[in-house]
Amino acid sequence: GENVEQHPSTLSVQEGDSAVIKCTYSDSASNYFPWYKQELGKGPQLIIDIRSNVGEKKDQRIAVTLNKTAKHFSLHITETQPEDSAVYFCAANQGTGTASKLTFGTGTRLQVTL
Amino acid sequence: GAGVSQSPRYKVAKRGQDVALRCDPISGHVSLFWYQQALGQGPEFLTYFQNEAQLDKSGLPSDRFFAERPEGSVSTLKIQRTQQEDSAVYLCASSLVGGNEQFFGPGTRLTVL
Repeated sequence: GENVEQHPSTLSVQEGDSAVIKCTYSDSASNYFPWYKQELGKGPQLIIDIRSNVGEKKDQRIAVTLNKTAKHFSLHITETQPEDSAVYFCAANQGTGTASKLTFGTGTRLQVTL
Repeated sequence: GAGVSQSPRYKVAKRGQDVALRCDPISGHVSLFWYQQALGQGPEFLTYFQNEAQLDKSGLPSDRFFAERPEGSVSTLKIQRTQQEDSAVYLCASSLVGGNEQFFGPGTRLTVL
């Protein structure tokens, strides 16, 4: 089955700096890669996603890149703010229907300090 | 609009008790997923429904875990004879038919004493 590895496990940045979180996946059949933000006591919130036919996607301060050949994808957050502090999870799946179950990484705890 | 809701938000059970966790998906979402999230870990897949059909239950850890979605909307995850290792947050997610985006509820935190 699919295996998703994520690093770093913790990341501390100063407000205004950039943060980068990296993930690798094992199954070349995976074609959808979402990123979730989880705050304490809440469920994961989808913040951005990318499909395998695209190499990069950007939404305001957040961007995701995908390298299919190397089987890795990354989340980039620019101009970090204290409200960006949370745990971030990458995930992967292989399509829709029965192939749509997500395999998650182990999470990155991001702390943005003033 | 209303998102995915789950109840109860917190459940404490004594070892050996049965529990039932409820999920109300987003209206119109055909696909429904259950995940288990242990402390400090990412969510792990348990089971998947398309409408009322349970198409994948490969992630259920034992036959003590049972899920149903009889009318293709609300779903219940039942755990029989709970054990301490069942302590976790149980997350429900839903998505549109043919869609990739999964939207999660707030989860139910189960503590087995």
